Parts: sequence; C-alpha cells; structure tokens
Amino acid sequence: GAVVSQHPSWVICKSGTSVKIECRSLDFQATTMFWYRQFPKQSLMLMATSNEGSKATYEQGVEKDKFLINHASLTLSTLTVTSAHPEDSSFYICSVTPGLASYEQYFGPGTRLTVT
Amino acid sequence: GDSVTQMEGPVTLSEEAFLTINCTYTATGYPSLFWYVQYPGEGLQLLLKATKADDKGSNKGFEATYRKETTSFHLEKGSVQVSDSAVYFCALHLSGGYQKVTFGTGTKLQVIP
Repeated sequence: GAVVSQHPSWVICKSGTSVKIECRSLDFQATTMFWYRQFPKQSLMLMATSNEGSKATYEQGVEKDKFLINHASLTLSTLTVTSAHPEDSSFYICSVTPGLASYEQYFGPGTRLTVT
Repeated sequence: GDSVTQMEGPVTLSEEAFLTINCTYTATGYPSLFWYVQYPGEGLQLLLKATKADDKGSNKGFEATYRKETTSFHLEKGSVQVSDSAVYFCALHLSGGYQKVTFGTGTKLQVIP
C-alpha cells in the first residue's frame, strides 16, 4: 500500500492563531486526498476532498474559510486551521487514493491539535 | 443517509480467545464494506473488504462476511494475539464515482497475555 506522512504529529497552539498541517504521499502521485477529523470515541468525519490543482470540496457543515485546504502538487496537501479555538482541538487525519480504485484509501498517522 | 454502527468497546480478551466485533450498516444502495485497523500511533490500514453480498473478506486470520439480509459485516478471528490489540473500524463505500467512505465509531480491542 501507499505510504502517507503527516507533519506535525502533534501541535499545541494558542487560541486565535493559525496552524498548518501537511499531508504527503511518499510513493505515488495522488490526485485526490481526503481530510478527516476524529473526536475521542467517535468516528472519522470527512471534512473535505482535496483535488490537485482545483478547489477542495467541503462536506456540509464544514467551514471552508476556517479550514483552508491547498493541494498544490500531486504529493502534498495542506490543511490550515485559521483562528483556532479550543473547540478545534481534535485529531486530524488525511488519506490518499490511487484514484481508479475508488474505495482504496491510504491513511496518514494523524495530527493531534490542541488549542489552548 | 448512509451509516455504520459497530459495537462499543473496549473489548478485552485473553490471548487465543475468539473475537467477534459486530457491525451493521444502513445504505441507500449496494455498498462495498470494509474493516480498517489502527494500531497505536499509526494510521488506518485496510484489513479486509467485501464488495458484494455473500462475499467473505479475509486477511491475517480475520474474516468478515457481507450479509445483505441482515445488513451486517461482523469481524471475526478464531484466536487473537497480543499484537492484534488496536482499534477496528467498520466502513462502507457506495459506488458511483464519489469516493466518500463512511466509518463506524471504532472498537478498541485489547488482548492480554
């Protein structure tokens, strides 16, 4: 399977600041990446689908101006949490798909964000 | 809408015990079904899948059968090991081009020696 990395693995920031999380596909070019959010003891919630070279598609209820997604290359997508607040504290996970096999997703290890 | 329901954990078993983690789903069409596993500190990995009714997915001693009549996809293993300790997620995907996968809440399995 594909190897996906995320950076940082954990981050603590102050309320009101912005935080950028990187997702990299290390061994293949990913035209599509997904961003999920995971709350304790809850399922993964799809936040947005990130398409290389075009605007991300956000799920209903996800604020696109707050969670900025940039998929500038076939191996890198970034999620920026702008003006972070304590309620944004969560585990953020990205995944990539080879594309043609529509259900095959390979996940990164996740980023733990804590906003104080 | 589409949803996946799986048993709450944590599930604690002794080594070599039999494992069942229940999973049921609700979907408007005919989904493909998956089990993903998340080991501590790692990302989710696809464990097994089944794409149509009566298919059995299997991997690493784990099995799950796609039961359309009961809308279920229960995960089983005959003899668990300490190394199986992880969080297991049941998931579904509906065909049609859009790649969204719907996950259950996850079940933590702890196997003790």
